[in-house]
Amino acid sequence: AQKITQTQPGMFVQEKEAVTLDCTYDTSDPSYGLFWYKQPSSGEMIFLIYQGSYDQQNATEGRYSLNFQKARKSANLVISASQLGDSAMYFCAMTDNAGNMLTFGGGTRLMVKP
Amino acid sequence: SAVISQKPSRDICQRGTSLTIQCQVDSQVTMMFWYRQQPGQSLTLIATANQGSEATYESGFVIDKFPISRPNLTFSTLTVSNMSPEDSSIYLCSVAWGSTGELFFGEGSRLTVL
Repeated sequence: AQKITQTQPGMFVQEKEAVTLDCTYDTSDPSYGLFWYKQPSSGEMIFLIYQGSYDQQNATEGRYSLNFQKARKSANLVISASQLGDSAMYFCAMTDNAGNMLTFGGGTRLMVKP
Repeated sequence: SAVISQKPSRDICQRGTSLTIQCQVDSQVTMMFWYRQQPGQSLTLIATANQGSEATYESGFVIDKFPISRPNLTFSTLTVSNMSPEDSSIYLCSVAWGSTGELFFGEGSRLTVL
């Protein structure tokens, strides 16, 4: 069975600073995918970034980067130059070997201070 | 990317009634997924809906409570039957898209059961 753990229920960050949201996972599948989603108060789920288990380099998408440490089974999201609009819930998630999205972490609420 | 439309976006329902949520995708997809997000919680997969076959339910979810239809490759419905206040949640439909299997989500349907 797969498991995703986000140990930070909430995080504060000053506007324009960088912040790291933690995510650790557990799986016995040799092949898997790791995702981060943002959920603003409106409730929609917004895809941010993807990392494949066999990808050699850390994924980056604009201000988002994924710090993938396979041996440690961690996939932390780094947001650079935080903006007020980054305030939201952030969910780490993973697919299984079949590519089905089955498991979400508990989420981290990020609050950006002006 | 896939564009997913869900309706209703929100509703207030009376205990004991049923509500059907519709999910329309702008492209043909094999699998559609239904998630529930209870207040302050993460997302939990309810079931996977394949066109032309019965939906596959996750542990803790049964067809009598959450019947699902999948009449074609672009449409699905989820019914929440005999609702109780514990069913108050956001219900989201999603599809996997692209080589990474990235999940795209509908806007969500926010149900409040009185």
